[in-house]
Amino acid sequence: SQTIHQWPATLVQPVGSPLSLECTVEGTSNPNLYWYRQAAGRGLQLLFYSVGIGQISSEVPQNLSASRPQDRQFILSSKKLLLSDSGFYLCAWSTGLAGNYEQYFGPGTRLTVT
Amino acid sequence: GDSVTQMEGPVTLSEEAFLTINCTYTATGYPSLFWYVQYPGEGLQLLLKATKADDKGSNKGFEATYRKETTSFHLEKGSVQVSDSAVYFCALRTGAGSYQLTFGKGTKLSVIP
Repeated sequence: SQTIHQWPATLVQPVGSPLSLECTVEGTSNPNLYWYRQAAGRGLQLLFYSVGIGQISSEVPQNLSASRPQDRQFILSSKKLLLSDSGFYLCAWSTGLAGNYEQYFGPGTRLTVT
Repeated sequence: GDSVTQMEGPVTLSEEAFLTINCTYTATGYPSLFWYVQYPGEGLQLLLKATKADDKGSNKGFEATYRKETTSFHLEKGSVQVSDSAVYFCALRTGAGSYQLTFGKGTKLSVIP
């Protein structure tokens, strides 16, 4: 069966510090990968998605970036965090098969920027 | 663009009460519809889905029917339990070429004994 891992689970970082969040998927090949942010009292916002190694699409302009160095690894980064970057970050995957549109989410990373 | 509107919460129910969480959508084409559940401090779990009109998704006693004529996908459960306390998200995805799930803002459900 497929599993998705995220780490760290929680993170407290000062403003201006760098960020690296990691997501890995097991039990599937060539997944589509996604980063979402969930801010308090708001819905989920898609930040990035990737359909293959090195292929990243950005949905929202911001100071975050994403990379996919391996087929089942997705990394969210920032060079300098802002207070507004605080939130719950969720990684998700889906198959690349036509008609299978559901996405499966990881446990999330709670980021607090102080 | 695509959008999902959910009833605003929080919703508080007594154990064994009937649950309805309303969800309506606006989308081009024929979207697939989903309900996700998020327990405190956790990620989202897919609860159920429907991919075409009149389909009924069901799981763990929850049901939702894809109503194209009313563009709705309301979530129902006949008898809620304390363990159902969570945030519920309605979502849609339109067809090929779109990778994004469009989510509603979520409805928080609290079930009291």
